[in-house]
Amino acid sequence: AQKITQTQPGMFVQEKEAVTLDCTYDTSDQSYGLFWYKQPSSGEMIFLIYQGSYDEQNATEGRYSLNFQKARKSANLVISASQLGDSAMYFCAMRERRNAGNMLTFGGGTRLMVKP
Amino acid sequence: SQTIHQWPATLVQPVGSPLSLECTVEGTSNPNLYWYRQAAGRGLQLLFYSVGIGQISSEVPQNLSASRPQDRQFILSSKKLLLSDSGFYLCAWSVQKPTDTQYFGPGTRLTVL
Repeated sequence: AQKITQTQPGMFVQEKEAVTLDCTYDTSDQSYGLFWYKQPSSGEMIFLIYQGSYDEQNATEGRYSLNFQKARKSANLVISASQLGDSAMYFCAMRERRNAGNMLTFGGGTRLMVKP
Repeated sequence: SQTIHQWPATLVQPVGSPLSLECTVEGTSNPNLYWYRQAAGRGLQLLFYSVGIGQISSEVPQNLSASRPQDRQFILSSKKLLLSDSGFYLCAWSVQKPTDTQYFGPGTRLTVL
């Protein structure tokens, strides 16, 4: 079964508008972490934001915020005031304890395209 | 500050040839190290991870292997490449506290012909 699901393969957003990228996850662990990464066309994976399962407040980092709904097992990324440079692939990932360490499981990604 | 290097950036290799990709981290000690592969248009698949020198765990059985000869060096190898080994290979590092966030290198694009 999919552990991380990103249901939007591609999305368009108008420059300066806000956009929400969806992510749902599945785990039986009580302690876990959720991450969002951005992958521009260059290929490098850029860490954006982190939410711990015990964090009561939604994480924010500049124009990025994470809408964490634990009961629904969702961790949506909200990008405010979109910029042309936000055009990229976005991946949601979940950290779980496995064997000797903490492992990340990635979703399939969402391609965001910002229109001028 | 911490930096992570990968080389080469791109590589074209014939089927059956050997492979060696290198990853080094600067500015941190005792990092956890990871090798991922990304097929075109897909998410990342964890191949290997290491929590210390000489300690390697494999996530997916395949013709690839990994080694960690030094604390901040991680090497991905193969004795004989297959066509299916083509892809984008990413190395990452993390430290457990506080969030065990993984930070990625620039990647190596491998094409096997």
